[in-house]
Amino acid sequence: GAVVSQHPSWVICKSGTSVKIECRSLDFQATTMFWYRQFPKKSLMLMATSNEGSKATYEQGVEKDKFLINHASLTLSTLTVTSAHPEDSSFYICSAPLRAAGGRAYEQYFGPGTRLTVT
Amino acid sequence: AQTVTQSQPEMSVQEAETVTLSCTYDTSENNYYLFWYKQPPSRQMILVIRQEAYKQQNATENRFSVNFQKAAKSFSLKISDSQLGDTAMYFCAFMKHATSGTYKYIFGTGTRLKVLA
Repeated sequence: GAVVSQHPSWVICKSGTSVKIECRSLDFQATTMFWYRQFPKKSLMLMATSNEGSKATYEQGVEKDKFLINHASLTLSTLTVTSAHPEDSSFYICSAPLRAAGGRAYEQYFGPGTRLTVT
Repeated sequence: AQTVTQSQPEMSVQEAETVTLSCTYDTSENNYYLFWYKQPPSRQMILVIRQEAYKQQNATENRFSVNFQKAAKSFSLKISDSQLGDTAMYFCAFMKHATSGTYKYIFGTGTRLKVLA
């Protein structure tokens, strides 16, 4: 089946520094990827849609200058949290769509997530 | 705008018993897809089952089945013969039909299911 990886799986950084999270589709190409943020025991909150070769589309309330997204290739999207602060500590998940086998539907394949802790 | 509602924040079920998780949604679309995802403690999102709105037949995957009521905009998940490994957070998700993969999911708030030994 389709696999999406994320790196790193967890990261601790100091307040004021920047952190980059990678999302890769390992065995398929994805012109679109999605980035989510999840707080403990809460649902996934869509942050932005990453588009290969063009600018990302951010959801309302998400600071695009703080959460920089680059979709450099058909298999890689990166999320950079700039000037991180403790309130940016969260679990970040990416996903990539692929047409389901034998069907018409696209479904999302999710990465394993990245736990960011800002001290 | 589409919305997805899961009205049961937490549920528990005895091992080997059956449990049903509720999901309702609101949309003006006619063609769309509905999903149930499981998120165990590892936090990896796992697809449980998928339903295409144009199909009247309810989807089934082994112990998992759905009751899809399009007119009522209801999409419940039934887990039969519950196992300890079913303990997880379950999310209902909606996606409108698209010819590309650019449409996003709309997630419900989740139901935390605990299977008791």
